[in-house]
Amino acid sequence: KAGVTQTPRYLIKTRGQQVTLSCSPISGHRSVSWYQQTPGQGLQFLFEYFSETQRNKGNFPGRFSGRQFSNSRSEMNVSTLELGDSALYLCASSGAGRRDEKLFFGSGTQLSVL
Amino acid sequence: KNEVEQSPQNLTAQEGEFITINCSYSVGISALHWLQQHPGGGIVSLFMLSSGKKKHGRLIATINIQEKHSSLHITASHPRDSAVYICAVRLKDSNYQLIWGAGTKLIIKP
Repeated sequence: KAGVTQTPRYLIKTRGQQVTLSCSPISGHRSVSWYQQTPGQGLQFLFEYFSETQRNKGNFPGRFSGRQFSNSRSEMNVSTLELGDSALYLCASSGAGRRDEKLFFGSGTQLSVL
Repeated sequence: KNEVEQSPQNLTAQEGEFITINCSYSVGISALHWLQQHPGGGIVSLFMLSSGKKKHGRLIATINIQEKHSSLHITASHPRDSAVYICAVRLKDSNYQLIWGAGTKLIIKP
C-alpha cells in the first residue's frame, strides 16, 4: 500500500507569489490534515479535511487555504507569500478521521520564500 | 504557558541506556500521540494512547489521564533511535485538532 505522497518535495518562491502544495493520502483514507513546521514554532495545525469538507482550521491568516477532492487528495494554497511562510509543510491522513486513529504522514514539502 | 510541554528538550545518552521522555498537558484530551521525526522531515506515528500503556518492540508509552502526563520509554537504546520525539494531543472538545509539543531531540552515542 503506497504511503502518503506530497508534491513537490522542495519549492522556492519569492515574496508576493502564491503556491499550491499537493497531498495524496493512503488509499481508502478520507481524512487529510495539514501542518506547518518551523524551527522556532514547531508543528502547528493548519486545517483538516474529511470527505471534501473542512472540519477544523487552525490560527492562520486567510492567505492559507485548502481543499479536498472527491478522491481524497488535498491541496493547500498560500497566496501573497511572506518570508515567514518558509517552512516544512506536512500532511497526514487517517482512515475516518476518528479521534482514536493513528496518523500517517507524508515526507513534507520544504518551502523557501526569498 | 504552552498547552503541551515536553521534557527534556535535548537528551544525549550512550547506547544501551534506558531513555525516558515526558509530556505534560493542561487541556482536556481525547487521545495523545507519540511521533518520531528523523532528519529530513519524515514523521512516523509511534503510539496513540487514550489510557494505560502500550508497547511496541523496545518502545513503551504510558499515560496518566488524571495527572495529565505521558511518558515514552526506550529500552536498550541504539544509535538508530536518534531522532526528535514529539508528543501531540487531540483536544477533547475540538473538531479533531492536534496540539503539538516542541519535541525532544534524542542523540544516542555508540
